[in-house]
Order: sequence, then structure tokens, then C-alpha cells
Amino acid sequence: DIVMTQSPDSLAVSLGERATINCKSSQSVLYSSDNKNYVAWYQQKPGQPPKLLIYWASTRKSGVPDRFSGSGSGTDFTLTISSLQAEDVAVYYCHQYYSTPYTFGQGTWLEIK
Amino acid sequence: QVQVQESGPGLVKPSETLSLTCTVSGGSITTSYWNWFRQPPGKGLEWIGYVYYTGRTDYNPSLKSRVTLSADMSKNQFSLKLTSVTDADTAVYYCARDTPGELWGQGTMVTVSS
Repeated sequence: DIVMTQSPDSLAVSLGERATINCKSSQSVLYSSDNKNYVAWYQQKPGQPPKLLIYWASTRKSGVPDRFSGSGSGTDFTLTISSLQAEDVAVYYCHQYYSTPYTFGQGTWLEIK
Repeated sequence: QVQVQESGPGLVKPSETLSLTCTVSGGSITTSYWNWFRQPPGKGLEWIGYVYYTGRTDYNPSLKSRVTLSADMSKNQFSLKLTSVTDADTAVYYCARDTPGELWGQGTMVTVSS
């Protein structure tokens, strides 16, 4: 299984400041045939299902605010929120869909400082 | 607008079989792969498996011996059966379209308890 490890486990950021969450996979999730990284990022608020934010490591899903961005390749990935808003308080998960069993990071709890 | 909704018993006794259904509305189940995930209270997400309308499946090895996924085109539904449940199977169960899951149901809480 590919293990996804996120850091930090929790993060407190002031409104309007940048938030950065890291994710490391235990093996490369870059598929050579299409040169795509099979990593996604989700946001989950209490009592709600996960919401897809980013896929292919850096493609923002339609309707997701552009303050959310993803980067990285191979085994190291980052989710950045450029200017934190109050509604961004949530748990964030990275997810690999390179190979089954699909796996998730343990989650990062993001709160307002 | 395609929507998915999980349904099934909220309480299952230990050693019995958990059965859930995901109903797709506003679209056909033949267009996508359909995944099941679960999330124990206060914990992270676990992929259970996926099913295609043809019957093709793939399962998480950690659950493979106990899980069966199936699809019913006539009802536009797909289903999950998990046998010999224990406390560790207590979770919110989600169905989701495609990988990565870009359309999720609201989830259904299943508690394993006598």
C-alpha cells in the first residue's frame, strides 16, 4: 500500500495569512505514461462529506476558490491556501489514486489563530 | 444534476452483515466507477472498494475477505455488503463517483452494537 503522510497534524493561521499543508507518499505517484501525479486534496467540514478541491496534484476543481492551489510531483505535495478565510476551517486530506488500495493522509486540522 | 444517496440500517449486531445501498439520481450508473469509503468517528478516510456497472470490482485487501460490491442497472443503484462485522466497522459510510471522488453522498452512520 502507498502510505500518505501529512504534516503538520494541525495548523493555526491568522485570517488573511497563508496556510501550507504538506503530504509525502511512500512511493512515487507520478505515472510515466501520462506524466500525471495521481494525488488529490479534499476539504472536510464537520458533519459533511469530503469535498474535492484539487486533482492531478495541481488542477483546481471547477468552483473552488483560486486561493486554493496544489503543487508537487513524485512523492512530495503541497496544498496552499493563499489568504485564509474563516470558511476554510476544516480538516484537509491528501489522497493517492495511483494504485489500489487508494489511500489517504491522516488529515490536517486547520483552524484560525 | 447527479446526486448520490446512501441508505441502509443504522445499527447492525456484531457478527452480522452490514448492507448499504447507494442510489444515483439525475444520471446513469453506467457512466462511472462507483466507490465506497468509510470514516470511523473522529478518524480518517478509508477506501473500501469500487464497482463498475459491468460488475467489475476492486477491493481494499484489508476488507476483501468480507466485502462484496454489486451494481443494479435496472434500479440505478449499487450496493455494499460487509460480513462478520465488529465494533471496528462502526463508521460513516460514503459512496462517491469516480476516482478521485468528485461527487459524494452525505454519508450514513452505521453502528455495530448488540
